[in-house]
Amino acid sequence: EMQLVESGGGLVQPGGSLRLSCAASGFSVYGYEMNWVRQAPGKGLEWVAYISSSGSTRHYGDSVRGRFTMSRDNAQNSVYLQMNSLRAEDTAVYYCVRDWIRDFFDPWGQGALVTVSS
Amino acid sequence: DIQMTQSPSSVSASVGDRVTITCRASQGIDNWLAWYQQKPGKAPKLLVYSASSLQSGVPSRFSGSGSGTEFTLTISSLQPEDSATYYCQQSNSFPLTFGPGTKVDI
Repeated sequence: EMQLVESGGGLVQPGGSLRLSCAASGFSVYGYEMNWVRQAPGKGLEWVAYISSSGSTRHYGDSVRGRFTMSRDNAQNSVYLQMNSLRAEDTAVYYCVRDWIRDFFDPWGQGALVTVSS
Repeated sequence: DIQMTQSPSSVSASVGDRVTITCRASQGIDNWLAWYQQKPGKAPKLLVYSASSLQSGVPSRFSGSGSGTEFTLTISSLQPEDSATYYCQQSNSFPLTFGPGTKVDI
């Protein structure tokens, strides 16, 4: 069964940093583009970041560009999201998603909750 | 950026009813559109991709149509387990964007 498992979420103060990890099982991330999508409490879905299969191309949403960095380690079958200068509005469940085809997302991880609060 | 809108924002229907949700893009996106279903406390699930292709394992009562700027998701005979929020998403260009969601109540 294909699975994505996020880790690294938690409570962090405004201005702080956090690194999310996403480990894949049941398939190899090698050859797949990957993304992060987030959902603030009670709100809709917001795409956050994309990384190409080689890692050479990345895209970011306007709200996180310059603060978040997505990376990957194909040998570890994992992707990561380094989040710096965190703000209260970054509070959300962060989902790791595989770019199944043409930027359509399947599967999704179970999500990691990030809470930015003093 | 491509803005996605959905209507209605919520719908209440009975078991066996036909339910249609509309998604509109602020500019043409060909057929680069997906539909997701999200139940409370769960991750979203891909239902339809490329506007009209049903993802493997998704019941045939779900169908998608449309092209360009207007798209629909239809549930032909609503079942109790279809109670969820449905989101559309465009993959024509970055930034990838989602619609605000449509909540379907039984």
